[in-house]
Amino acid sequence: QVQLQESGPGLVKPSETLSLTCTVSGDSVSGRSFYWSWIRQSPGKGLEWIGHIYYSGDADYNPSLKSRVMMSVDTSRNQFSLTLSFVTAADTADYYCARAVQMGNWFDPWGQGTLVIVSS
Amino acid sequence: DIQMTQSPSSLSASLGDRVTITCRASQTISNYLNWYQQEPGKAPKLLIYAASTLQNGVPSRFSGSGSGTDFTLTISSLHPEDFATYYCQQSYRTPQTFGQGTKVE
Repeated sequence: QVQLQESGPGLVKPSETLSLTCTVSGDSVSGRSFYWSWIRQSPGKGLEWIGHIYYSGDADYNPSLKSRVMMSVDTSRNQFSLTLSFVTAADTADYYCARAVQMGNWFDPWGQGTLVIVSS
Repeated sequence: DIQMTQSPSSLSASLGDRVTITCRASQTISNYLNWYQQEPGKAPKLLIYAASTLQNGVPSRFSGSGSGTDFTLTISSLHPEDFATYYCQQSYRTPQTFGQGTKVE
């Protein structure tokens, strides 16, 4: 059974950098059939795809966030990570990691999510 | 970006009712349309992918149809655990985008 678990600070100050890690169990991030994705959900903007990364390190980001986002993958720890710089209150959201099938890009499964609040 | 519009935003239904949710894309997306269910406080769960393929373990009372720009999610007979919010997602073009959700209450 594939499981994903997000971890990271729940509170980030404005203008600082948000950093989250997703630990994968039951599958390998080195697999060639999947993208490893980040999605966020806020009351104001609904569900928003942030981007995804492939085992090779190739990544694709939402253009609306591209200037502030970076993703990485650590195959030795079976993890992948998200950093979002220069955060504002608008970045307050539940952040989810998810596995996406390469041939179709549907998300399954999802991590349980982690709430990140941007506030001083 | 491809805009996804769901209707209705919410609906009131009773146990045993047949429920239909519609999702419309702002441009053609072939069958690159996926449906998710989200219960309060939980992550979304994949129900249907490629417009009409039921994910493993999802009850057969759920079905999806459509192609191009117009898609439908149907629950044939509403069960207590089906009261939730449903989202469509297009995976035809990056950035993948979601509908605003339909709350079944």
